[in-house]
Amino acid sequence: QVQLQQWGAGLLKPSETLSLTCAVYGWSFSGYYWSWIRQPPGKGLECIGEINHSGSTSYNPSLESRVTISVDMSKNQFSLKMNSVTAADTAVYYCARYCIDSCWGAFDIWGQGTMVTVSS
Amino acid sequence: DIQMTQSPSSVAASVGDRVTITCRASQDIGSWLAWYQQHQGGAPKLLIFAASTLESGVSSRFTGSGSGTVFTLTINSLQPEDFATYYCQQANSFFSLTFGGGTKVEMK
Repeated sequence: QVQLQQWGAGLLKPSETLSLTCAVYGWSFSGYYWSWIRQPPGKGLECIGEINHSGSTSYNPSLESRVTISVDMSKNQFSLKMNSVTAADTAVYYCARYCIDSCWGAFDIWGQGTMVTVSS
Repeated sequence: DIQMTQSPSSVAASVGDRVTITCRASQDIGSWLAWYQQHQGGAPKLLIFAASTLESGVSSRFTGSGSGTVFTLTINSLQPEDFATYYCQQANSFFSLTFGGGTKVEMK
């Protein structure tokens, strides 16, 4: 059974760097893209970006200048870094498996979510 | 970006009711549409992909239909565990994915 377990700092000050990691259990990285998605309090879902096993990435244009997604194949983990955070980046951040082929571009497995609060 | 518009934003219903949620895309997305259920405080759960294909393990009370720009999610015989927020998501643009604003199904 595929599971995603995520962790990272939950309280940041403005201008600091958000750093989250997601570990993949029960599946190898190959064959899928791996994504980060966020949800501000009381609001909807926003895709941040994706990465595959070879390190090929795609980012939301509105966040691209501040975001880096990377993969560590030896640990079956992928990570999100977002620099220069502001209060507008306060959200629950989810990692998810992006299933292009067999489920037509849906996110079929999700991590448990990490609440990140940006406050001075 | 493809914009996804859901309606209604909230609906009040009773156990046993049929509930229908609509999702409209700003351009033709074929059948590249997924539906998710999210309970308060939880992660989204995939219900349907390819507009009408039920994800493994999901109750057959949930049905999806539509193609092009208009899609619907129907919940037949609403159960207590179905009170949640539902989101649609387009995948026509593989790396420019967008979600609808959500529909909250509340108890009447």
